[in-house]
Amino acid sequence: EDKVVQSPLSLVVHEGDTVTLNCSYEVTNFRSLLWYKQEKKAPTFLFMLTSSGIEKKSGRLSSILDKKELFSILNITATQTGDSAVYLCAVPSYNQGGKLIFGQGTELSVKP
Amino acid sequence: NAGVTQTPKFQVLKTGQSMTLQCAQDMNHEYMSWYRQDPGMGLRLIHYSVGAGITDQGEVPNGYNVSRSTTEDFPLRLLSAAPSQTSVYFCASSLTGLSANYGYTFGSGTRLTVV
Repeated sequence: EDKVVQSPLSLVVHEGDTVTLNCSYEVTNFRSLLWYKQEKKAPTFLFMLTSSGIEKKSGRLSSILDKKELFSILNITATQTGDSAVYLCAVPSYNQGGKLIFGQGTELSVKP
Repeated sequence: NAGVTQTPKFQVLKTGQSMTLQCAQDMNHEYMSWYRQDPGMGLRLIHYSVGAGITDQGEVPNGYNVSRSTTEDFPLRLLSAAPSQTSVYFCASSLTGLSANYGYTFGSGTRLTVV
């Protein structure tokens, strides 16, 4: 059965800290892995990763995929209170018409 | 171009009542889906559709019905609401099922409470 597992489930840090969020997956016919940020509303897209070892970067956020070990990490440097959110990892599964399989999410809380 | 429009944003139901959550998209997307989100469980697929006239079950379909009579609309019906259906519901779409590679367009969500 296809699955996506995220860790940790929750994290509390202080402004300025660096955090690493983890996502491991077991999916047949892997094509891509996606990261979303969710702040009390609909998830918003952050990154799509398809190739192993190539870092995607957007400001203080970066992500990398390891297709051999079947995981991805999302790094946030110099965290700010505005980074507080739930971060979701998702992988498309072609067993059910193209659904996205989501991990449980990591709830990040950044304290001033 | 409105994207994915979900209504209502909030709803309180009594146990046993029925209701329909509306979802409409104006992007000519073939693939539409309904997810529910509960604390600590991520988003779980309820039902999905790969095109007008075609629907199928996801991982948590019990207690919900869907139909897809047009490309634009994909309503979710709760037949007899139960407290276990208290959740946040998201409608999401993509151009095709295969283009889920590139992620979905999400609606703004419906927060449903069943008392």
